Amino acid sequence: QQQVKQSPQSLIVQKGGISIINCAYENTAFDYFPWYQQFPGKGPALLIAIRPDVSEKKEGRFTISFNKSAKQFSLHIMDSQPGDSATYFCAARHAGNNRKLIWGLGTSLAVNP
Amino acid sequence: DTEVTQTPKHLVMGMTNKKSLKCEQHMGHRAMYWYKQKAKKPPELMFVYSYEKLSINESVPSRFSPECPNSSLLNLHLHALQPEDSALYLCASSQKTGYHEKLFFGSGTQLSVL
Repeated sequence: QQQVKQSPQSLIVQKGGISIINCAYENTAFDYFPWYQQFPGKGPALLIAIRPDVSEKKEGRFTISFNKSAKQFSLHIMDSQPGDSATYFCAARHAGNNRKLIWGLGTSLAVNP
Repeated sequence: DTEVTQTPKHLVMGMTNKKSLKCEQHMGHRAMYWYKQKAKKPPELMFVYSYEKLSINESVPSRFSPECPNSSLLNLHLHALQPEDSALYLCASSQKTGYHEKLFFGSGTQLSVL
């Protein structure tokens, strides 16, 4: 049972375009929603995170949009660059249950030059 | 220093071998984690240490034995592994012991069990 559903599985975007990755969750007991970026041969790196009392958070070219009523959140990468080509994971943290992170299955992003 | 350093980067071992993975951080983080990641999958939590004490064991088989000698070091001792244990083993740390917030990951140890 996948509690955090991530889409699309893969994404190809042209340089300068907008990359959008979506995640949906079912459990209302999540209290923290991070996005991680992972390059081949490296560990994941925290990109940006949001809490459910905020509808949007922006850091540079990266923006999280959060819709609490729809139980959805998304990552927008503006002006996508070839260096953004990586796998992106969304996650949600349980407020209880040892505050465990539930991960999405990941999105492989390729930005064409 | 905002790095989590893992050694070795690659490890090949037989099913009867005993080996150890090492992880080190000097950020003063008091929570440390072991994750396992299969190719094209998200990381799976194995263990969490909080203030050098094991606080979470995600029902990991006893052939994996974690150890936290001090606040900067984390080891994972491996014994009698199976081929299906082949994966990328990631260490992570976080400042807050309220778990899984702002995780810093190492680059991992790519383990192959023959």
